[in-house]
Parts: sequence; structure tokens; C-alpha cells
Amino acid sequence: DAGVIQSPRHEVTEMGQEVTLRCKPISGHDYLFWYRQTMMRGLELLIYFNNNVPIDDSGMPEDRFSAKMPNASFSTLKIQPSEPRDSAVYFCAIMGGAGANVLTFGAGSRLTVL
Amino acid sequence: GQQVMQIPQYQHVQEGEDFTTYCNSSTTLSNIQWYKQRPGGHPVFLIQLVKSGEVKKQERLTFQFGEAKKNSSLHITATQTTDVGTYFCAGSLGYNTDKLIFGTGTRLQVFP
Repeated sequence: DAGVIQSPRHEVTEMGQEVTLRCKPISGHDYLFWYRQTMMRGLELLIYFNNNVPIDDSGMPEDRFSAKMPNASFSTLKIQPSEPRDSAVYFCAIMGGAGANVLTFGAGSRLTVL
Repeated sequence: GQQVMQIPQYQHVQEGEDFTTYCNSSTTLSNIQWYKQRPGGHPVFLIQLVKSGEVKKQERLTFQFGEAKKNSSLHITATQTTDVGTYFCAGSLGYNTDKLIFGTGTRLQVFP
């Protein structure tokens, strides 16, 4: 799907390091979501934005996590400092525009914290 | 908080056998969506159900939304190896939903 571009696709880092994950929506949208996927907890909604404004960040696990959306074409999810339990696949997804209320996911960023 | 559970967690079937996954919500949903995630891939939208008791079909896949709008099911007839993956339901509380809660998923393995 070309609707959402995520980078990096894979990242391996050491505990304590800062991690920045990036999301670039290509197609039109009204909403942008960050999900985290692990074997233990499945797909968890971390935060979502509507027209670049954060609407609900109740899923953000700790203050170490932060997300921004400076414009409609870019969002970041930052973890500082990272911990091994943050290891997961992080998905960015968009909703709205031609896709109405259907989620279009990016390919995900697989994070491993050693 | 709202929870969406799916059963079974895993299902192994022989190619040609049928498969069903069930989705149950602790609260009434305004609509339910189904997604498929291939191994190593990302969730991909399959279908959306909105009306109470609604049934939709996509070739060998049949989707149903319960009368009380708290449960849903996905049935695959005569599975094929291409059906392998994890199937997620996702529900929302509001119309034109801005927040989808995903179910726990059912991983399907199909043996040739």
C-alpha cells in the first residue's frame, strides 16, 4: 500500500538510546494513528490525531513516549529513553479522505531494544 | 475500558476445511471491521459491517454482525493456503469512527 510510508523499517538500538519513528501519509486523510503490536498485547492504539491535532493519547504507555504531527504529511513517534520492553512493531495508519473510516496501515517499523 | 476478544487464538486446519473466528465486545459497537495480516505484513482492511444482523460475503468469506451489535464472526469456506494469516476484528463506539479498538486476533495456519 502506498498510502503510508514508515521509516525506518527495522531498528536495533541499545537500552537508553532515543528512538524516532517516522510516518509519511501519501494519500488524503483526516486521521492518523500510531499502533504498537506485540505477541503479548496484540495491536494497541497509542495515540491518534485529527487534522494534525492529538485527540487521544491515553494509550501512550509512559512519559518516555511522545508523538507529534507538525503537518498533514508527517508524524513522528519518539521514545526516550528506550527500554527492552519497548521492542515491538510500530504501525502508523491513516483514516479518512477517500477511504472514509477504513484504516490504511503502513508497513510498520520493527524496533528491537537490546 | 472497552475490550474486544477473539476466539480461538490459533487455528490449524487442513486445506479444504472450513474456519470460523468469533469476535466479542464488552460494549455495543456502532460498526465492526475485519482486517487480515499476513505473516510479516501489516493489517489490511477486508470489510465493514454496520447494521444489526448484517451478513456480507466475499467469495469464500462470510462476515456476520450480531443482532445486539456486540459480536461478529468470520467464516471461511474451504480454506486455501493463501488464507494463512491473522484475522482481526476492530470495533468502534461512534459513527464516522475516530477510534477503532482491535480484537486479540485469530492466527490461521492452513496445511496443504
